[in-house]
Amino acid sequence: KQEVTQIPAALSVPEGENLVLNCSFTDSAIYNLQWFRQDPGKGLTSLLLIQSSQREQTSGRLNASLDKSSGRSTLYIAASQPGDSATYLCAVAHSGYSTLTFGKGTMLLVSP
Amino acid sequence: DVKVTQSSRYLVKRTGEKVFLECVQDMDHENMFWYRQDPGLGLRLIYFSYDVKMKEKGDIPEGYSVSREKKERFSLILESASTNQTSMYLCASSSSGAYGYTFGSGTRLTVV
Repeated sequence: KQEVTQIPAALSVPEGENLVLNCSFTDSAIYNLQWFRQDPGKGLTSLLLIQSSQREQTSGRLNASLDKSSGRSTLYIAASQPGDSATYLCAVAHSGYSTLTFGKGTMLLVSP
Repeated sequence: DVKVTQSSRYLVKRTGEKVFLECVQDMDHENMFWYRQDPGLGLRLIYFSYDVKMKEKGDIPEGYSVSREKKERFSLILESASTNQTSMYLCASSSSGAYGYTFGSGTRLTVV
């Protein structure tokens, strides 16, 4: 059974720092991996989707990488801002028709 | 953009009531999902559907049922609400997973 782990569980940084969130998964036979953001009491917002054949995806200050063979993904946030404060979740799918398996998230706090 | 709409942001129901949570998506997605999210437990899959009138049990289906009479609408039903069903409920949809999942804004259900 696929297990997804996110480290650290919580992270506090000052504004302006570059930071890396980690996601690992036990079964490397994935179809894609998706990073989400969740603000308190809200739903999930998709940030980046990486297909299994891709190594990375970028959107603005966000860059997600995928190393399928080692079962790892990282989300890099450049020049962090207080508005980046949220919980970040990664999730993997095994096929186009399979369900997502989620990690428990990293709670990020960026202080001004 | 794909939009997934959950009919209520907050609900308070009494123990034993029958509760309907509605979810509608506007992009003709085949797949729809219901998750619940609890502190420390993360997101857990309740039910999902790959087509109209089709349903599959997820990891925690007990105490729930679903209905998908139309492609755009997926309803979660709590047959007899109990206090341990107090949670955040999240609906999602996808088109064969190739383009990732889109989530609704969530329904915070409190059963008293």
